[in-house]
Amino acid sequence: GNSVTQMEGPVTLSEEAFLTINCTYTATGYPSLFWYVQYPGEGLQLLLKATKADDKGSNKGFEATYRKETTSFHLEKGSVQVSDSAVYFCALRIQGGSEKLVFGKGTKLTVNP
Amino acid sequence: EAGVAQSPRYKIIEKRQSVAFWCNPISGHATLYWYQQILGQGPKLLIQFQNNGVVDDSQLPKDRFSAERLKGVDSTLKIQPAKLEDSAVYLCASSSLPGQGLYEQYFGPGTRLTVT
Repeated sequence: GNSVTQMEGPVTLSEEAFLTINCTYTATGYPSLFWYVQYPGEGLQLLLKATKADDKGSNKGFEATYRKETTSFHLEKGSVQVSDSAVYFCALRIQGGSEKLVFGKGTKLTVNP
Repeated sequence: EAGVAQSPRYKIIEKRQSVAFWCNPISGHATLYWYQQILGQGPKLLIQFQNNGVVDDSQLPKDRFSAERLKGVDSTLKIQPAKLEDSAVYLCASSSLPGQGLYEQYFGPGTRLTVT
């Protein structure tokens, strides 16, 4: 089946620290990969995406590279800010199927000043 | 452009009662999704509509959950009777059809349901 595994949180960092949140996937087809972010009290927002192997998605200083050989899509940011505190979800969507998103369990990030 | 609207934002009910949630997708979006997000887990798809037809309802507990999308716009998700394990945030999302411009899912703020 299709599934996403994220590193377990919570993750607590100091401002300006380097962030990595690991994400690996299992897919029966050829997936597109996504990172969504959920700020406190708000809905899910698309952070970045990649649709094919070796693509790099980037947004707001966050990056993730679609690695087919390791079935991974790790999220990174070089210098986190307090405002990055949120829950981050890795997700996949099988192209040509029902187009539904399959999410990981989420990783809560807290950034302290 | 207005986002996905959901109501109510919060609901508390007792087990065995019924409840209904409403979703208004982004104008022009043909596809509408209902997800269930239990605390500490990622969202799980309950049902997907394309226009007013069901595309995927394989994970919808049909003995107690029902959903409709009359006229292919607004949608209602109903639970009857509710169980304690139904406590969750219910998210609605919408997207355009594949190949139609920026084909991404946009999420509403969710309805937080507490069953006591």
